[in-house]
Amino acid sequence: DSGVTQTPKHLITATGQRVTLRCSPRSGDLSVYWYQQSLDQGLQFLIQYYNGEERAKGNILERFSAQQFPDLHSELNLSSLELGDSALYFCASSAWDSSTDTQYFGPGTRLTVL
Amino acid sequence: DQQVKQNSPSLSVQEGRISILNCDYTNSMFDYFLWYKKYPAEGPTFLISISSIKDKNEDGRFTVFLNKSAKHLSLHIVPSQPGDSAVYFCAAQQGGSEKLVFGKGTKLTVNP
Repeated sequence: DSGVTQTPKHLITATGQRVTLRCSPRSGDLSVYWYQQSLDQGLQFLIQYYNGEERAKGNILERFSAQQFPDLHSELNLSSLELGDSALYFCASSAWDSSTDTQYFGPGTRLTVL
Repeated sequence: DQQVKQNSPSLSVQEGRISILNCDYTNSMFDYFLWYKKYPAEGPTFLISISSIKDKNEDGRFTVFLNKSAKHLSLHIVPSQPGDSAVYFCAAQQGGSEKLVFGKGTKLTVNP
């Protein structure tokens, strides 16, 4: 158990809908990262927050947004969903925002868009 | 354009033998490399890392080798155990960035 929790574990929805994925980092960790793993793909970095502020952005679509709240949990919002958004979404956390901090991953949320 | 490549989708070895997982990268700005292990229905778990100033890092049964000139790294597991059966992801970081760039993974099966 990494100490990172993600809810829900599974989510099935329809095209055009909007969903929210939630992540609680390890106790004391200030950085939260979101990654997407599509079928047969490696994990793709989406976005990072550090202590409530956006720190780095990757290949995140404009239809996707994220935020980190004062209690340090984070939410990833996916809107106008398309079939291709079906994937595993992982959240990771680390203590600070140093590039050598170990990132600890949650179990992921499996999103299926029908 | 895939910057981190794991060209073997799968690898099967016998218990007790050596497992060698390979990873190639294209971005010469990467200076920190990591291996993660992933079991089904779980998130990736950090295994071992290496900085570009080293060519080898060892942790118990796990050793990572880095060949900067070839832009190649490998993970050696000796001896391999059935519990090592998992998907192994190679990841890389560029200096000053927390973003991890992952390969697609290699599924290792260790047969008893």
